[in-house]
Amino acid sequence: DAGITQSPRYKITETGRQVTLMCHQTWSHSYMFWYRQDLGHGLRLIYYSAAADITDKGEVPDGYVVSRSKTENFPLTLESATRSQTSVYFCASRNRERDEQFFGPGTRLTVL
Amino acid sequence: AQSVTQPDIHITVSEGASLELRCNYSYGATPYLFWYVQSPGQGLQLLLKYFSGDTLVQGIKGFEAEFKRSQSSFNLRKPSVHWSDAAEYFCAVGASNFGNEKLTFGTGTRLTIIP
Repeated sequence: DAGITQSPRYKITETGRQVTLMCHQTWSHSYMFWYRQDLGHGLRLIYYSAAADITDKGEVPDGYVVSRSKTENFPLTLESATRSQTSVYFCASRNRERDEQFFGPGTRLTVL
Repeated sequence: AQSVTQPDIHITVSEGASLELRCNYSYGATPYLFWYVQSPGQGLQLLLKYFSGDTLVQGIKGFEAEFKRSQSSFNLRKPSVHWSDAAEYFCAVGASNFGNEKLTFGTGTRLTIIP
């Protein structure tokens, strides 16, 4: 289906484990973004990517790693999960010529 | 650095009543301004955006917003709310120079509709 998808939608993991959240978009948008949503903080940008193999830090990048080998995929990895990373994670994409970001449905991550 | 303030954490209105959600931004140049809506368990959907020109912008679902530079505000309005408008609303600001892709979001306003 066309659009932006995230997997898994729900994930429970333990402190110290590595977790990868997947994001896939079918529009061939240049830009992709990862946000986390927490009560009282709204959405905060973790990392973003302007194109394949080009990534940059956002507001809260510590503890996260991203890669973008293909335009359509933008995985987010928590190398050693901590309880403070319990959150809802949203992926978004944007066409270079437009200024609207399109959001995925989110992944709810719980770190025990 | 840019920032957004949504002073109302939670607003309750009656169905059919008018609505205004407040948004104040801080940015040194002409901002790009957005309102997004998030229904429970869903991602964010763009309601409307302002880049330049007419300061009153129309969006989807009957929403509108007015950019007031002198007040650094971009308040969202709807003349008559429907029960389906119950959701969380986020205001966001982005830099106006092309290529700066970082959006800064406010903390959101939760809207409850009572019959």
